[in-house]
Amino acid sequence: DIVMTQSPDSLAVSLGGRATINCKSSQSVLYSSNNENYLAWYQQKAGQPPKLIILWASIRESGVPDRFSGSGSGTDFTLTINNLQAEDVAVYYCQQYYTTPLTFGGGTKVEIK
Amino acid sequence: EVELVQSGGGLVQPGGSLKLSCIVSGLIFSDSSIHWVRQASGKGLEWVGRIRTRTNNYAIAYAPSVTGRFTISRDDSRNTAYLQMNSLKTEDTAIYYCASHDPFDFWGQGTLVTVSS
Repeated sequence: DIVMTQSPDSLAVSLGGRATINCKSSQSVLYSSNNENYLAWYQQKAGQPPKLIILWASIRESGVPDRFSGSGSGTDFTLTINNLQAEDVAVYYCQQYYTTPLTFGGGTKVEIK
Repeated sequence: EVELVQSGGGLVQPGGSLKLSCIVSGLIFSDSSIHWVRQASGKGLEWVGRIRTRTNNYAIAYAPSVTGRFTISRDDSRNTAYLQMNSLKTEDTAIYYCASHDPFDFWGQGTLVTVSS
């Protein structure tokens, strides 16, 4: 199974600041035949189902503000939230959809400092 | 508007069974892979399994933790996916979500399954 390791577990950022979340996979999720990274990021607010915000490691889902960005390739990925807003308070999960069993990182809780 | 509406959760004793349903509207269900994901209280997300489309031979895959106990199925004529859970254990207690596609762009509202005596 591919193990997804996120860091940090939590972070507190000032309004307008930047949040950086890291995600490392135990093996590459880059599919060589199409050069795509099968890596997604989800945002989960309290009491709600998760929401897809980034797919293919760096593509914002429709309607997601451009302050959210994803980067990385292979085994190392980053989610960056610039100009943090109060509505961005949530737990963020990375997920690989390269192979079954699909696996999630443990989550990173983002709060306002 | 895409909607995934779930039903079927509840309280069940250890060793018991429960069947969850996920009715999908607003997208072409027959072209959509459906996944099941669960989340224990205060914990992270755990993928349970998925069923692919007819084009992909309705291929099914499960997480190791549920293999042999849970069964995923679908009825394209009813736009509905199912999760049959047998031999339930206390550690299966969680909110269960259905979700569509790869990655999961639409999610159900979740349904609570509590396994307790």
